[in-house]
Amino acid sequence: SQTIHQWPATLVQPVGSPLSLECTVEGTSNPNLYWYRQAAGRGLQLLFYSVGIGQISSEVPQNLSASRPQDRQFILSSKKLLLSDSGFYLCAWSADYRSEQYFGPGTRLTVT
Amino acid sequence: GDSVTQMEGPVTLSEEAFLTINCTYTATGYPSLFWYVQYPGEGLQLLLKATKADDKGSNKGFEATYRKETTSFHLEKGSVQVSDSAVYFCALRMGAGGTSYGKLTFGQGTILTVHP
Repeated sequence: SQTIHQWPATLVQPVGSPLSLECTVEGTSNPNLYWYRQAAGRGLQLLFYSVGIGQISSEVPQNLSASRPQDRQFILSSKKLLLSDSGFYLCAWSADYRSEQYFGPGTRLTVT
Repeated sequence: GDSVTQMEGPVTLSEEAFLTINCTYTATGYPSLFWYVQYPGEGLQLLLKATKADDKGSNKGFEATYRKETTSFHLEKGSVQVSDSAVYFCALRMGAGGTSYGKLTFGQGTILTVHP
């Protein structure tokens, strides 16, 4: 069966520090991968999606970037965090664009 | 662009009460519609879905009917339990191909608290 992992589960970082969040999927190949953010008091917003290794599409211009160095690995990064980057970050995968998206447990990021 | 609007929360109910969480959408085309649930400390789980007009999605006693004429997908449950306390998200996904790549557009979420 397929599983999706995210780490770390929680993170507290100072403003201006770098960020790296990792997401890995097991039990499937060539998945579509997604990064969403849930800011306090707001809904989920799609940040990035990827349909293959090295293929990244950005939905919202921002302080963040994403990379997909391996088929089942999706990384969210920032060189310098802002207070507004605080939130709950969720990674998701799907077999293709028609299929259900399965979400990871999420990473709660607090920028202080 | 596409958007989803949910009723403002939080919603507080007593156990066995009837639940309705309203959801309306705006989309250019014919989206698939979803309800996701997020239990405390966990990621999102798909609760139910409907892919075309008049379809009814159901799961765990929850139901929602895809109403094209009113562009709505309201979530209902006849008798809620304490264990239903969670955040509920309505979402849409546009159809085949193009640039959507399966992107989900979410509403802002509705917090439900059920008291014994």
